[in-house]
Amino acid sequence: GQQVMQIPQYQHVQEGEDFTTYCNSSTTLSNIQWYKQRPGGHPVFLIQLVKSGEVKKQKRLTFQFGEAKKNSSLHITATQTTDVGTYFCASDNYGQNFVFGPGTRLSVLP
Amino acid sequence: DAGVIQSPRHEVTEMGQEVTLRCKPISGHNSLFWYRQTMMRGLELLIYFNNNVPIDDSGMPEDRFSAKMPNASFSTLKIQPSEPRDSAVYFCASSLTPGSNYGYTFGSGTRLTVV
Repeated sequence: GQQVMQIPQYQHVQEGEDFTTYCNSSTTLSNIQWYKQRPGGHPVFLIQLVKSGEVKKQKRLTFQFGEAKKNSSLHITATQTTDVGTYFCASDNYGQNFVFGPGTRLSVLP
Repeated sequence: DAGVIQSPRHEVTEMGQEVTLRCKPISGHNSLFWYRQTMMRGLELLIYFNNNVPIDDSGMPEDRFSAKMPNASFSTLKIQPSEPRDSAVYFCASSLTPGSNYGYTFGSGTRLTVV
């Protein structure tokens, strides 16, 4: 079945540094969703991208969907301690296969 | 809106016992999902309902697991008999439709420990 992979698995940054996580698939995706899960919490929906080459911003977060719709990235500018958590990409492949990536765990050192 | 409500928050049970997890989706959401999260396997989709009908249960581990959605406001996930390897956090999520621009809304989860 369809799978999405994420790199890196873990990322430790100093507060104020930038952070990027990448999501990749071997097949074309209908959409990409990004979620954040705080330690001990539940995944929280951040955004959905559907168009080839789409870029969306939420304050310090920038989301991109690749031209071929096989990859995506989430970039955080000037990380803060509140950004700590695991970031997941997910895709539902036109409502057929609901898959989450393994996630990237972000630690931010004050 | 109170969001997706799951109960119980924590469950500790002995191996062999029956466990029932409950979920109330957001009113008006037509799709409901049950996920299991472990360190080793990450987030796994167990089963997906659309308009109360099970659409895809290929993720249900084995016959010990069963899920029902008798109406639009309630779903259960049952494990009988439970085993230690079932220990995990079980999340329920709902959405307006598959591929909704609003994504899936997750409940707070049920942390299940089978001893």
